[in-house]
Amino acid sequence: DVKVTQSSRYLVKRTGEKVFLECVQDMDHENMFWYRQDPGLGLRLIYFSYDVKMKEKGDIPEGYSVSREKKERFSLILESASTNQTSMYLCASSFFPGLPTDTQYFGPGTRLTVL
Amino acid sequence: QKEVEQNSGPLSVPEGAIASLNCTYSDRGSQSFFWYRQYSGKSPELIMSIYSNGDKEDGRFTAQLNKASQYVSLLIRDSQPSDSATYLCAVSWGKLQFGAGTQVVVTP
Repeated sequence: DVKVTQSSRYLVKRTGEKVFLECVQDMDHENMFWYRQDPGLGLRLIYFSYDVKMKEKGDIPEGYSVSREKKERFSLILESASTNQTSMYLCASSFFPGLPTDTQYFGPGTRLTVL
Repeated sequence: QKEVEQNSGPLSVPEGAIASLNCTYSDRGSQSFFWYRQYSGKSPELIMSIYSNGDKEDGRFTAQLNKASQYVSLLIRDSQPSDSATYLCAVSWGKLQFGAGTQVVVTP
């Protein structure tokens, strides 16, 4: 079974803090993704990566950055957290290189609250 | 703006009945189509994928794809209370685009 893990299930941070969300997958998947999910808006893609050290902007990259130093790990960084970044953050991975349309498998999610 | 549209619901279905969920998409070039189930507070889990026109069955679930009309649907037969969840339609055109989801409530 594919396993995607995220570092925290719940996180509370203060406005202006730098926040790191970690995601690890154990299936040697090439592609990794970060989404946020808000009521009524569905899942929105923040960033994705096809390979180590590469990244592509998704639909809503503003206020976020990412890092992929190792194939299995994809980190989402909020440089200066703001209250409008309070959300559920979901990491996903998929197998086929360069084929982001392949089936994606999701981690359990991190519910981030920014006060 | 490429879009994936779903009725938000809730869709109320008696136990044992068929739940029918619909999804329309705007890009004719879309290649792959997915249905995910998401329980409250949990992450999405894949139910079905479908790539060609027609029906695909897996247990109590049937996905139907009509590329000419740009819709994909999901049927849940013999609905159970455990099917109560939000169902997300996802469509690919270079990247995966998700609909906002349809909430299904199965009533005993």
